[in-house]
Amino acid sequence: ETGVTQTPRHLVMGMTNKKSLKCEQHLGHNAMYWYKQSAKKPLELMFVYSLEERVENNSVPSRFSPECPNSSHLFLHLHTLQPEDSALYLCASRRDRSSSEQYFGPGTRLTVT
Amino acid sequence: KQEVTQIPAALSVPEGENLVLNCSFTDSAIYNLQWFRQDPGKGLTSLLLIQSSQREQTSGRLNASLDKSSGRSTLYIAASQPGDSATYLCAVISDYKLSFGAGTTVTVRA
Repeated sequence: ETGVTQTPRHLVMGMTNKKSLKCEQHLGHNAMYWYKQSAKKPLELMFVYSLEERVENNSVPSRFSPECPNSSHLFLHLHTLQPEDSALYLCASRRDRSSSEQYFGPGTRLTVT
Repeated sequence: KQEVTQIPAALSVPEGENLVLNCSFTDSAIYNLQWFRQDPGKGLTSLLLIQSSQREQTSGRLNASLDKSSGRSTLYIAASQPGDSATYLCAVISDYKLSFGAGTTVTVRA
């Protein structure tokens, strides 16, 4: 266990649904990240939060909406997704925005039908 | 924009053989480089972190080298085992951003 948890682990949703992914870390880290991993492609950075402030929005469509209510929790709100959004969504944390190792959660496998 | 390339994309070896995985990056202005392992459908597990001032880092059967000037890192896994079968990812760290390669998928045959 790395101390970063994600729920749900698997999610199937229709294109008109609204759902949320949750990430939680108990490592005392100040920076949290969302990544998207599609088949046969490198991990794509989506969002970065440092001390609850968004510092990076990597040209992500507005149908993905992040929320960081405190330094331990990160959400990704999903609405009107497309089938090409099906992927593994990974959350990660670091002690601060410029230090050392990044720790990953187990991911949420999202399928959009 | 930092670009990270991993070669080969896939590798199959018999048990006991040493593994050599390569990672190259285009911008040498990096903080650190981190190697990860990913099992199918799972998250990433950190293997080694090399600081930009270091030349190598070792953990058990794993050894990673870093040559910033040439934009290269190599991960060596000694005496491979079937349990080493996984995808290995390298990530170059610049400030708060990590840039990932596409990975090398390793199969160790018993």
